Amino acid sequence: AQSVAQPEDQVNVAEGNPLTVKCTYSVSGNPYLFWYVQYPNRGLQFLLKYITGDNLVKGSYGFEAEFNKSQTSFHLKKPSALVSDSALYFCAVRDDNYGQNFVFGPGTRLSVLP
Amino acid sequence: NAGVTQTPKFRVLKTGQSMTLLCAQDMNHEYMYWYRQDPGMGLRLIHYSVGEGTTAKGEVPDGYNVSRLKKQNFLLGLESAAPSQTSVYFCASSDAGYGYTFGSGTRLTVV
Repeated sequence: AQSVAQPEDQVNVAEGNPLTVKCTYSVSGNPYLFWYVQYPNRGLQFLLKYITGDNLVKGSYGFEAEFNKSQTSFHLKKPSALVSDSALYFCAVRDDNYGQNFVFGPGTRLSVLP
Repeated sequence: NAGVTQTPKFRVLKTGQSMTLLCAQDMNHEYMYWYRQDPGMGLRLIHYSVGEGTTAKGEVPDGYNVSRLKKQNFLLGLESAAPSQTSVYFCASSDAGYGYTFGSGTRLTVV
């Protein structure tokens, strides 16, 4: 079965510093990996995805993520954090052996301090 | 640009009451989903549909029913609401599983 772990409930970073939000996954087939962001009282918004190809994926708002097959990780990164990046971030995986459904991680709350 | 629309946005129910949440998408997506979001638990799949007239159970289906009579609509029903069903409900749709488009959510409180 597929599963996703986000080992940090909360990440705090100073504005202007680089940020990393961690995600590890477990699948039996090939993974399709996604990051979503949720701002207060809003739905989830798509940030980026890895389906195949280049391991470094660039997405919206300056975010990027690196697919590491050997470490089964898909960490979200940004070179310089903004206060407006403060939100709840979800990693999700779809295992191509298990149809079309996604499994979401529990979420990581990012706080960027001015 | 509508995308996925959920109604209502907020609702308060008394224990034992029933209600239906409506999700509508205008992207001609085959797949539609209902999730609930609870603090510290992320999103958990309630029911999903892989096409018009089909439905299937997800991770936490008990106490909920769904119907997909039209491709663009996916209804979530609570027959007899319980306080444990207090949550934020999200609908999503997908085309071939390459990413979801989410609605803005329905905040349900059962008292």
